[in-house]
Amino acid sequence: QVQLQESVPGLLKPSETLSLTCSVSGGSVINSYWSWIRQPPGKGLEWIGYIYYSGYTKYNPSLKSRVTISVDTSKNQFSLRLNSVTAADTAVYYCAHIPQFGYYFDYWGQGTLVTVSS
Amino acid sequence: SYVLTQPPSVSVAPGQTARITCGGNNFGTKSGHWYQQKPGQAPVLVVYDDSDRPSEIPDRFSGSNSGNTATLTISRVEAGDEADYYCQVWDTTSDHPVLFGGGTRLTVL
Repeated sequence: QVQLQESVPGLLKPSETLSLTCSVSGGSVINSYWSWIRQPPGKGLEWIGYIYYSGYTKYNPSLKSRVTISVDTSKNQFSLRLNSVTAADTAVYYCAHIPQFGYYFDYWGQGTLVTVSS
Repeated sequence: SYVLTQPPSVSVAPGQTARITCGGNNFGTKSGHWYQQKPGQAPVLVVYDDSDRPSEIPDRFSGSNSGNTATLTISRVEAGDEADYYCQVWDTTSDHPVLFGGGTRLTVL
């Protein structure tokens, strides 16, 4: 069974860059799609983007100008970078697995809270 | 852009049946998926491809999809089912392929 673990980014100030890594165990990043999803406090889920192990990416249009998702097959992990953060980017960030031939998220990380505050 | 609409809250007594809806234009032409999220926890997939269940999910959870509405049905509701439930679709032709509904808080009375 695939297990996902997000890194802990700490507190960010406005305009800084958010960097998160999702470590994958119990499976390989190869031949799979992987995604980032976030949830502001007390609000619903927002899809950020996904990546295929080959490097193909798709992003939420509302975040596309600030987001980069990458994958490192040698470390069996994938990463999220979000530039120029503001308080509106404060959220719990989840990494998730997309099954082959599936259009949903079957495994999720526990989530990591990112707080943006001056 | 495509929008998924869920009722903010649903309440049901223990042992009864809860039905949570998710509305979207021509939803029946897409596959709907459902997640359960308890406070402080990550979402858990409970129904995928409209009506399939992961092996670890009890058969009290079922789903359907027709017309403009997908429905998650929870039979014989238990106190432990109290949670937020989110629907999700994936439109491969869209520039914004992954959408979540706003979520429904299920309260067990």
